[in-house]
Amino acid sequence: EIVLTQSPGTLSLSPGERATLSCRASQSFSSSYLAWYQQKPGQAPRLLIYGASSRATGIPDRFSGSGSGSDFSLTISRLEPEDFAVYYCQQYGNSPPTFGPGTKVDIK
Amino acid sequence: EVQLVQSGAEVKKPGESLKISCKGSGYSFTNFWIGWVRQMPGKGLEWMGIIYPGDSDTRYSPSFQGQVTISVDKSISTAYLQWSSLKASDTAMYYCARHLGGSSKLPFDYWGQGTLVTVSS
Repeated sequence: EIVLTQSPGTLSLSPGERATLSCRASQSFSSSYLAWYQQKPGQAPRLLIYGASSRATGIPDRFSGSGSGSDFSLTISRLEPEDFAVYYCQQYGNSPPTFGPGTKVDIK
Repeated sequence: EVQLVQSGAEVKKPGESLKISCKGSGYSFTNFWIGWVRQMPGKGLEWMGIIYPGDSDTRYSPSFQGQVTISVDKSISTAYLQWSSLKASDTAMYYCARHLGGSSKLPFDYWGQGTLVTVSS
């Protein structure tokens, strides 16, 4: 099973700042199979990025994903008030699919 | 509009059985894998398993194999997650979610609203 590690655990930033979240895997896998989700309190997760860098339908272009092998990142270019949430990465190419533990982006 | 509507919150005692549901609409139900994700209180997401409604092909995470059963009734576009004997540690929010396409190797693009299961004596 691929274990995903996300860092930092919490990222404290102000609106307008840039956020960079990291997701590292215990073994390499194809970047075609890496996704990022956003979850706000009391809500279901929302798909942001799949295939490491493709934005899901309706996702603003301030969200971007990159990476390959075992090292991936999600960047939010300028944080909007609605972006403060928990972000999870997921690999879905190896069985079983696994999620990272999440990074909480909160308001500084 | 794609929608996944889950059954309501449940409060059960240890040892009881339970079956929760997830009804899909707004798309061709039989052509997309549907999965279940657990989120324990204050914790992260855990992938439990998926089912393909077209032929009921089912895949489980080893962590959940034998602990739950995933099934589907394609005649009413509904997927199920069931337990035969609940434990207190099954207390969690359970989400159903649809794959982005027809492949078994895709992320979840549409999610249900979640079903809170509380198991307490």
